[in-house]
Amino acid sequence: GQQLNQSPQSMFIQEGEDVSMNCTSSSIFNTWLWYKQDPGEGPVLLIALYKAGELTSNGRLTAQFGITRKDSFLNISASIPSDVGIYFCAGRGGSNYQLIWGAGTKLIIKP
Amino acid sequence: GAGVSQSPRYKVAKRGQDVALRCDPISGHVSLFWYQQALGQGPEFLTYFQNEAQLDKSGLPSDRFFAERPEGSVSTLKIQRTQQEDSAVYLCASSLARGTGNTIYFGEGSWLTVV
Repeated sequence: GQQLNQSPQSMFIQEGEDVSMNCTSSSIFNTWLWYKQDPGEGPVLLIALYKAGELTSNGRLTAQFGITRKDSFLNISASIPSDVGIYFCAGRGGSNYQLIWGAGTKLIIKP
Repeated sequence: GAGVSQSPRYKVAKRGQDVALRCDPISGHVSLFWYQQALGQGPEFLTYFQNEAQLDKSGLPSDRFFAERPEGSVSTLKIQRTQQEDSAVYLCASSLARGTGNTIYFGEGSWLTVV
């Protein structure tokens, strides 16, 4: 099925570092969502973006809806051990219910 | 309940066996979704219900997959004559309404392994 291009695929960082990941699409979306999935759990919504150019924060997390409506990024500042997990972007386009997902960015914190 | 509840959490099925996966959405949520997530991949859309009506089943991979939500609350995803390629996590999600501004909440998933 159709997927977004999400990068990087994985990240190895030191605790306290900032993290940045992004998603791009060949088609225009009207909603961008960022989820985190821990092992054995379902995805949990972190940030939802509904307007081109929108910049939204949730604690140490910040996400932006790209002006072209074809991309979005997620930043995590001052990473901590509980940030470990897989982060997914998801977008919604013409249909207002079906989500198209990226393949995920696996975040690993080096001891 | 407080969140989306799925059962069983883990299921091992022999190839050819039929399985049924249950989803209890958040009370009052109109929209219900099923997604399939293969290992190392993002979820892929299977089907969508608005109340008891199945409005979109375009993501169901074959006619062995069948979903229902007869009373507009609990939903069941049934897979007949399971194959090894059906091994995946099956995620159920619900939202209050169909609009774009409604948050979609996911359950913990049903982890299916076909041996």
